[in-house]
Amino acid sequence: DSGVTQTPKHLITATGQRVTLRCSPRSGDLSVYWYQQSLDQGLQFLIQYYNGEERAKGNILERFSAQQFPDLHSELNLSSLELGDSALYFCASSVELAPSYEQYFGPGTRLTVT
Amino acid sequence: AQKVTQAQTEISVVEKEDVTLDCVYETRDTTYYLFWYKQPPSGELVFLIRRNSFDEQNEISGRYSWNFQKSTSSFNFTITASQVVDSAVYFCALSEESYNTDKLIFGTGTRLQVFP
Repeated sequence: DSGVTQTPKHLITATGQRVTLRCSPRSGDLSVYWYQQSLDQGLQFLIQYYNGEERAKGNILERFSAQQFPDLHSELNLSSLELGDSALYFCASSVELAPSYEQYFGPGTRLTVT
Repeated sequence: AQKVTQAQTEISVVEKEDVTLDCVYETRDTTYYLFWYKQPPSGELVFLIRRNSFDEQNEISGRYSWNFQKSTSSFNFTITASQVVDSAVYFCALSEESYNTDKLIFGTGTRLQVFP
């Protein structure tokens, strides 16, 4: 158990819908990352927050947004869902904003868009 | 450009065989970090090792060992005396210090199947 929690574990929804994925980082970790794992694209970085502020963006679609709240939990919002958004979405957390600290991954949320 | 290449898509071995998973990376940074993660069938990503670009010493942890060679931009992972529980997808990843983010750039992964 990495200490990072993600809810829900599974999500099945229809095209055009909107969903919210939730992540609670390890206690004390200030940095939160979102990654998407799909068969087509592999594991890709989406977005990073550090202590409530957006720090970096990767290949995140405009239909997707995220935020980190004062209690450091984070949410990833996916809207106007398409079949191609079906993937495993991981949240990771790290103590600090530096690659010298490892990122611990949550169990993931498996999103299926039908 | 930042890139991680894991040329081996899938490897199958019989238990107790040694197996090496290859990882080649590209970066223009002089300071960077390399990682290996394991993704068992249950799906979670498990951190295995982090290595910084200034430390080329090989590392051994039980049956696992890692060989970092800057001259060939490789960070290979060897499992000695493989076991069925080693069956998983293994990802090599790169993180650079100069881009104001420590995001991980992953390779495409190598699926290891260990048969009894």
